[in-house]
Amino acid sequence: GDSVTQMEGPVTLSEEAFLTINCTYTATGYPSLFWYVQYPGEGLQLLLKATKADDKGSNKGFEATYRKETTSFHLEKGSVQVSDSAVYFCALGGGGNKLTFGTGTQLKVEL
Amino acid sequence: EAGVAQSPRYKIIEKRQSVAFWCNPISGHATLYWYQQILGQGPKLLIQFQNNGVVDDSQLPKDRFSAERLKGVDSTLKIQPAKLEDSAVYLCASSLAQQAGDEKLFFGSGTQLSVL
Repeated sequence: GDSVTQMEGPVTLSEEAFLTINCTYTATGYPSLFWYVQYPGEGLQLLLKATKADDKGSNKGFEATYRKETTSFHLEKGSVQVSDSAVYFCALGGGGNKLTFGTGTQLKVEL
Repeated sequence: EAGVAQSPRYKIIEKRQSVAFWCNPISGHATLYWYQQILGQGPKLLIQFQNNGVVDDSQLPKDRFSAERLKGVDSTLKIQPAKLEDSAVYLCASSLAQQAGDEKLFFGSGTQLSVL
Protein backbone atom coordinates (compact mmCIF):
# COMPACT_ATOMS: atom_id res chain seq x y z
CA GLY A 1 0.00 0.00 0.00
CA ASP A 2 0.88 3.67 -0.08
CA SER A 3 3.38 4.89 2.49
CA VAL A 4 5.46 7.95 3.36
CA THR A 5 8.80 7.97 5.17
CA GLN A 6 10.14 11.13 6.78
CA MET A 7 13.37 11.86 8.56
CA GLU A 8 13.05 11.66 12.32
CA GLY A 9 13.21 14.72 14.50
CA PRO A 10 13.57 16.85 16.33
CA VAL A 11 15.62 18.97 14.00
CA THR A 12 17.22 21.89 15.82
CA LEU A 13 18.62 24.81 13.83
CA SER A 14 19.84 28.30 14.46
CA GLU A 15 17.93 31.17 12.91
CA GLU A 16 18.91 31.82 9.29
CA ALA A 17 20.22 28.28 8.81
CA PHE A 18 19.31 26.16 5.78
CA LEU A 19 16.62 23.56 6.28
CA THR A 20 16.10 20.21 4.60
CA ILE A 21 13.51 17.68 5.75
CA ASN A 22 13.66 14.47 3.75
CA CYS A 23 10.55 12.69 2.53
CA THR A 24 10.28 9.59 0.35
CA TYR A 25 7.18 7.73 -0.68
CA THR A 26 5.89 4.43 -2.02
CA ALA A 27 2.78 4.48 -4.15
CA THR A 28 1.14 3.03 -7.19
CA GLY A 29 0.55 5.45 -10.01
CA TYR A 30 1.37 9.12 -9.77
CA PRO A 31 0.00 10.59 -6.58
CA SER A 32 -0.07 14.22 -5.53
CA LEU A 33 2.40 15.13 -2.79
CA PHE A 34 1.91 17.58 0.04
CA TRP A 35 3.60 19.19 2.99
CA TYR A 36 1.38 20.10 5.92
CA VAL A 37 2.55 22.10 8.94
CA GLN A 38 1.25 22.04 12.49
CA TYR A 39 2.12 25.01 14.68
CA PRO A 40 1.84 24.57 18.46
CA GLY A 41 -1.78 24.42 19.56
CA GLU A 42 -3.15 24.65 16.03
CA GLY A 43 -4.53 22.28 13.43
CA LEU A 44 -2.61 21.02 10.43
CA GLN A 45 -2.54 23.39 7.51
CA LEU A 46 -1.43 22.92 3.95
CA LEU A 47 2.02 24.40 3.32
CA LEU A 48 2.59 23.41 -0.31
CA LYS A 49 1.80 20.74 -2.85
CA ALA A 50 2.86 19.30 -6.19
CA THR A 51 0.62 17.27 -8.45
CA LYS A 52 3.00 15.80 -11.03
CA ALA A 53 6.63 14.89 -11.59
CA ASP A 54 9.13 17.78 -11.65
CA ASP A 55 6.55 20.20 -10.24
CA LYS A 56 7.88 22.49 -7.54
CA GLY A 57 5.57 23.56 -4.75
CA SER A 58 6.45 26.71 -2.84
CA ASN A 59 5.01 28.87 -0.08
CA LYS A 60 6.37 31.16 2.66
CA GLY A 61 9.95 30.57 1.47
CA PHE A 62 9.59 26.78 1.60
CA GLU A 63 10.05 24.67 -1.52
CA ALA A 64 9.74 21.02 -2.47
CA THR A 65 10.21 19.34 -5.85
CA TYR A 66 8.36 16.19 -6.91
CA ARG A 67 11.10 13.74 -7.95
CA LYS A 68 9.61 10.64 -9.54
CA GLU A 69 12.98 9.01 -10.23
CA THR A 70 13.93 9.06 -6.55
CA THR A 71 10.32 8.97 -5.21
CA SER A 72 11.14 11.96 -3.04
CA PHE A 73 9.61 15.29 -2.03
CA HIS A 74 12.15 16.92 0.26
CA LEU A 75 11.22 20.18 1.99
CA GLU A 76 13.76 23.02 1.90
CA LYS A 77 14.05 26.59 3.12
CA GLY A 78 17.06 28.79 2.67
CA SER A 79 16.83 30.73 5.93
CA VAL A 80 14.63 29.56 8.77
CA GLN A 81 13.09 31.80 11.41
CA VAL A 82 12.03 31.12 14.98
CA SER A 83 8.42 31.36 13.78
CA ASP A 84 8.98 28.30 11.55
CA SER A 85 9.19 26.09 14.64
CA ALA A 86 6.47 23.50 14.11
CA VAL A 87 5.86 19.89 13.13
CA TYR A 88 6.04 19.21 9.39
CA PHE A 89 4.16 16.33 7.77
CA CYS A 90 4.77 14.94 4.32
CA ALA A 91 1.67 13.40 2.76
CA LEU A 92 0.65 11.49 -0.33
CA GLY A 93 -2.70 11.94 -2.01
CA GLY A 94 -4.67 8.95 -3.17
CA GLY A 95 -7.99 8.69 -4.89
CA GLY A 96 -11.08 10.17 -3.30
CA ASN A 97 -9.22 12.92 -1.50
CA LYS A 98 -7.45 10.48 0.83
CA LEU A 99 -4.16 11.45 2.39
CA THR A 100 -1.47 9.15 3.74
CA PHE A 101 0.79 10.99 6.18
CA GLY A 102 4.32 10.48 7.32
CA THR A 103 5.13 10.46 11.02
CA GLY A 104 6.04 14.14 11.12
CA THR A 105 9.31 15.97 11.79
CA GLN A 106 9.55 18.49 14.60
CA LEU A 107 11.59 21.58 13.77
CA LYS A 108 12.98 23.82 16.49
CA VAL A 109 14.60 27.09 15.48
CA GLU A 110 16.67 28.91 18.07
CA LEU A 111 18.02 32.46 18.15
CA GLU B 1 -13.97 32.42 6.96
CA ALA B 2 -14.58 30.28 10.01
CA GLY B 3 -12.42 27.19 10.27
CA VAL B 4 -13.23 23.63 11.27
CA ALA B 5 -14.59 23.60 14.79
CA GLN B 6 -14.05 20.70 17.17
CA SER B 7 -15.04 20.05 20.76
CA PRO B 8 -14.09 19.26 23.38
CA ARG B 9 -10.44 20.30 23.22
CA TYR B 10 -9.39 17.77 25.86
CA LYS B 11 -11.04 14.69 27.36
CA ILE B 12 -9.86 12.33 30.05
CA ILE B 13 -11.78 9.10 30.67
CA GLU B 14 -11.21 5.70 32.20
CA LYS B 15 -11.01 2.57 30.09
CA ARG B 16 -14.33 0.98 29.22
CA GLN B 17 -16.11 4.36 29.41
CA SER B 18 -17.65 5.98 26.35
CA VAL B 19 -16.77 9.30 24.78
CA ALA B 20 -18.02 11.44 21.90
CA PHE B 21 -16.36 14.12 19.82
CA TRP B 22 -18.07 16.76 17.74
CA CYS B 23 -16.99 18.47 14.53
CA ASN B 24 -18.47 21.31 12.49
CA PRO B 25 -16.77 21.63 9.10
CA ILE B 26 -16.28 24.75 7.03
CA SER B 27 -19.56 25.89 5.53
CA GLY B 28 -20.14 24.38 2.11
CA HIS B 29 -17.56 21.62 2.44
CA ALA B 30 -19.16 18.39 1.34
CA THR B 31 -16.38 16.06 2.47
CA LEU B 32 -15.59 15.45 6.12
CA TYR B 33 -12.84 13.27 7.57
CA TRP B 34 -11.95 11.91 10.98
CA TYR B 35 -8.27 11.15 11.60
CA GLN B 36 -6.58 9.55 14.59
CA GLN B 37 -3.13 10.83 15.50
CA ILE B 38 -1.28 8.73 18.05
CA LEU B 39 1.70 10.41 19.70
CA GLY B 40 4.77 10.14 17.47
CA GLN B 41 2.78 9.00 14.44
CA GLY B 42 1.18 10.69 11.50
CA PRO B 43 -2.59 11.10 11.27
CA LYS B 44 -4.45 7.97 10.18
CA LEU B 45 -7.78 8.19 8.38
CA LEU B 46 -10.63 6.62 10.32
CA ILE B 47 -13.62 7.57 8.21
CA GLN B 48 -14.52 9.81 5.29
CA PHE B 49 -17.99 11.21 4.56
CA GLN B 50 -19.27 12.73 1.36
CA ASN B 51 -22.30 14.77 2.44
CA ASN B 52 -24.09 12.33 4.76
CA GLY B 53 -22.80 9.14 3.13
CA VAL B 54 -19.74 7.11 4.13
CA VAL B 55 -17.06 6.96 1.43
CA ASP B 56 -14.40 5.03 3.34
CA ASP B 57 -14.47 3.50 6.80
CA SER B 58 -12.04 0.67 6.13
CA GLN B 59 -9.74 1.65 9.02
CA LEU B 60 -12.47 2.36 11.57
CA PRO B 61 -12.54 -0.23 14.40
CA LYS B 62 -16.25 -0.80 14.06
CA ASP B 63 -16.57 -2.93 17.17
CA ARG B 64 -16.01 0.18 19.29
CA PHE B 65 -15.96 3.25 17.05
CA SER B 66 -18.93 4.81 15.30
CA ALA B 67 -19.46 8.04 13.42
CA GLU B 68 -22.37 9.82 11.88
CA ARG B 69 -23.09 12.89 9.80
CA LEU B 70 -26.85 12.79 9.69
CA LYS B 71 -27.64 16.08 7.96
CA GLY B 72 -24.47 16.28 5.90
CA VAL B 73 -23.02 19.08 8.00
CA ASP B 74 -21.63 18.44 11.48
CA SER B 75 -20.45 15.05 12.63
CA THR B 76 -19.89 13.07 15.80
CA LEU B 77 -17.35 10.34 16.46
CA LYS B 78 -18.01 7.96 19.35
CA ILE B 79 -15.90 5.39 21.13
CA GLN B 80 -17.61 2.77 23.28
CA PRO B 81 -15.98 1.21 25.21
CA ALA B 82 -12.64 3.01 25.18
CA LYS B 83 -9.33 1.18 25.47
CA LEU B 84 -5.97 2.48 26.61
CA GLU B 85 -4.65 2.38 23.03
CA ASP B 86 -7.35 4.85 21.96
CA SER B 87 -5.38 7.64 23.64
CA ALA B 88 -4.66 10.01 20.76
CA VAL B 89 -5.61 13.29 19.15
CA TYR B 90 -8.74 13.00 17.03
CA LEU B 91 -8.65 15.38 14.12
CA CYS B 92 -11.55 16.46 11.99
CA ALA B 93 -10.96 17.86 8.53
CA SER B 94 -13.12 19.03 5.67
CA SER B 95 -12.71 19.77 1.99
CA LEU B 96 -14.69 20.80 -1.05
CA ALA B 97 -15.71 17.84 -3.18
CA GLN B 98 -12.94 18.01 -5.74
CA GLN B 99 -11.17 15.71 -8.13
CA ALA B 100 -8.38 13.51 -6.91
CA GLY B 101 -5.09 15.37 -6.92
CA ASP B 102 -6.44 18.54 -5.36
CA GLU B 103 -6.88 17.37 -1.83
CA LYS B 104 -6.62 20.55 0.18
CA LEU B 105 -7.91 19.60 3.57
CA PHE B 106 -8.73 22.06 6.33
CA PHE B 107 -8.12 20.68 9.80
CA GLY B 108 -9.56 21.52 13.17
CA SER B 109 -7.37 21.81 16.26
CA GLY B 110 -8.31 18.33 17.38
CA THR B 111 -9.56 16.65 20.54
CA GLN B 112 -6.88 15.17 22.76
CA LEU B 113 -8.17 12.00 24.41
CA SER B 114 -6.45 10.36 27.34
CA VAL B 115 -7.73 6.95 28.42
CA LEU B 116 -6.58 5.95 31.92
